Amino acid sequence: DGGITQSPKYLFRKEGQNVTLSCEQNLNHDAMYWYRQDPGQGLRLIYYSQIVNDFQKGDIAEGYSVSREKKESFPLTVTSAQKNPTAFYLCASSISSGGQETQYFGPGTRLLVL
Amino acid sequence: DQQVKQNSPSLSVQEGRISILNCDYTNSMFDYFLWYKKYPAEGPTFLISISSIKDKNEDGRFTVFLNKSAKHLSLHIVPSQPGDSAVYFCAANLQGAQKLVFGQGTRLTINP
Repeated sequence: DGGITQSPKYLFRKEGQNVTLSCEQNLNHDAMYWYRQDPGQGLRLIYYSQIVNDFQKGDIAEGYSVSREKKESFPLTVTSAQKNPTAFYLCASSISSGGQETQYFGPGTRLLVL
Repeated sequence: DQQVKQNSPSLSVQEGRISILNCDYTNSMFDYFLWYKKYPAEGPTFLISISSIKDKNEDGRFTVFLNKSAKHLSLHIVPSQPGDSAVYFCAANLQGAQKLVFGQGTRLTINP
């Protein structure tokens, strides 16, 4: 049963605390992505990785960090430097066919600040 | 700079009628366009896509039209069903970049 899993579904962060969101895929996709969605807004790209041990900043990378040690896993850490972390976080992976990229998304993690 | 725009935040359509969702873009280097459907508290689901070399792609009740000269694409759903009520995002792939740019989304409500 292939797919993308994100955990936890809900996560609470205290002031000054770093938290890590998990993303795993068993689709054998090379590329993985992290997005943030805020109410009434589209998806904004935080970080992406096209290959293991390599990743690039997206449009809103400040206050976030990632790692890509395995093809299947792309965890996102929300650091204390991210001043407005409350949002819905979405992980995606993609496959390229004929030069056309289609991204497939996980179920998301909602992060709330206590 | 919003490169992909969905100017209608919401749309209400009667069940059985046609739903038309619109999307405009500014970057002529986009080479591939996608539509996603999203329910609350879930990840977006891929619906349909179109290459910039085509002007129409159809899959069941869903048809996407691309007008390159106007930098405009639209998603037609016919007939509309209650389960189609969701937020719809259009997205564009930047040639050679392997990443997508998303619009703000349009909330579609199908009324019985």
